[in-house]
Amino acid sequence: EAGVTQSPTHLIKTRGQQVTLRCSPISGHTSVYWYQQALGLGLQFLLWYDEGEERNRGNFPPRFSGRQFPNYSSELNVNALELEDSALYLCASSLGLSGANVLTFGAGSRLTVL
Amino acid sequence: GENVEQHPSTLSVQEGDSAVIKCTYSDSASNYFPWYKQELGKRPQLIIDIRSNVGEKKDQRIAVTLNKTAKHFSLHITETQPEDSAVYFCAASRGSSNTGKLIFGQGTTLQVKP
Repeated sequence: EAGVTQSPTHLIKTRGQQVTLRCSPISGHTSVYWYQQALGLGLQFLLWYDEGEERNRGNFPPRFSGRQFPNYSSELNVNALELEDSALYLCASSLGLSGANVLTFGAGSRLTVL
Repeated sequence: GENVEQHPSTLSVQEGDSAVIKCTYSDSASNYFPWYKQELGKRPQLIIDIRSNVGEKKDQRIAVTLNKTAKHFSLHITETQPEDSAVYFCAASRGSSNTGKLIFGQGTTLQVKP
């Protein structure tokens, strides 16, 4: 069984640019979560999607947004990049509202903003 | 808002000793408490979890205890081995409800010295 897959694995952007990160959940999982892990810091909750809807959002500015597609894959978009957006962006999936949210994480997308 | 505090931030033990990591949570409606292990450069992986209807759960060398009255839970690792060296994260959530996002502690870097 394929795990949670994320792309790209690494990317470098400059301030003010925009980035799109992608995530494919485990087959059968309907929930996708996005977390930001800045260097040396914990996992900060960004967004939670289930069945195509945004279920919850963390304390991040509106330039962080995303969506979930009918096949349950998800995108995270970050506009007007700032230096402090440099981090590992982790996607996780779970069975969603139909079951307990045991999260399985992907390997992450490491974003560097110069 | 919801918050999870984790202590200590770093922990160094000799191989064979025990290690204990403690977390407290603020949301009294939390009912699901997982622990994740993140090795250097790798994704967080679930190692054990506990739900609010039990006070303790054990899996080989690791165990988790939960005190709902005091709103704290702990991870216990016995007979530590060098491969236990990693960052450990506790987390709390309301389970599968609409607000069931997983809130993580800040992480504990465990070093097991051979």
